[in-house]
Amino acid sequence: EPEVTQTPSHQVTQMGQEVILRCVPISNHLYFYWYRQILGQKVEFLVSFYNNEISEKSEIFDDQFSVERPDGSNFTLKIRSTKLEDSAMYFCASNGRISTDTQYFGPGTRLTVL
Amino acid sequence: GDSVTQMEGPVTLSEEAFLTINCTYTATGYPSLFWYVQYPGEGLQLLLKATKADDKGSNKGFEATYRKETTSFHLEKGSVQVSDSAVYFCALSDRGQNFVFGPGTRLSVLP
Repeated sequence: EPEVTQTPSHQVTQMGQEVILRCVPISNHLYFYWYRQILGQKVEFLVSFYNNEISEKSEIFDDQFSVERPDGSNFTLKIRSTKLEDSAMYFCASNGRISTDTQYFGPGTRLTVL
Repeated sequence: GDSVTQMEGPVTLSEEAFLTINCTYTATGYPSLFWYVQYPGEGLQLLLKATKADDKGSNKGFEATYRKETTSFHLEKGSVQVSDSAVYFCALSDRGQNFVFGPGTRLSVLP
């Protein structure tokens, strides 16, 4: 069964450094998403992406964040200058058609900012 | 805006006990409703879903019925196992847009 994959599984970085989290969505999917989950808290929407542009973003997704689909398979989330409060689990998700509704989630990348 | 409320737990049950995790929602449209499960150290897995009123989603012995009149989507299982220990998230999605998740309910099943 096709699945969403994410790398790395765990990223440790120093405060102020840039990080790039990578996701490979399911191959025929067109809509891509990033969510985050601070330890012990709820899953929060960050951004959705379709047709090579952001379609919606939350107030969490400020100028420090950016997303990109650099080739036909990868979907990346970049944090330009990490803060301690960026430490969280970051989930990528994808779905094929808006009307399908079901989003398939990757296993997540745990980001630890020291 | 849309929101999801669920009992936060933790919920601790003995093996073979009956499970109910309550979930209620508020939404302006007619959302699809989901239960996702997160096993320790893993990502989110779709457990079941329902896309319209009175639909029942089921999977692995879990069930939930979309109740529009009470805006609820309670998760039930007749006999839980130790392997069901996980965090369960209720979520809604309006026309496939970004998901809104509840806070999660941690379930621990003791042998």
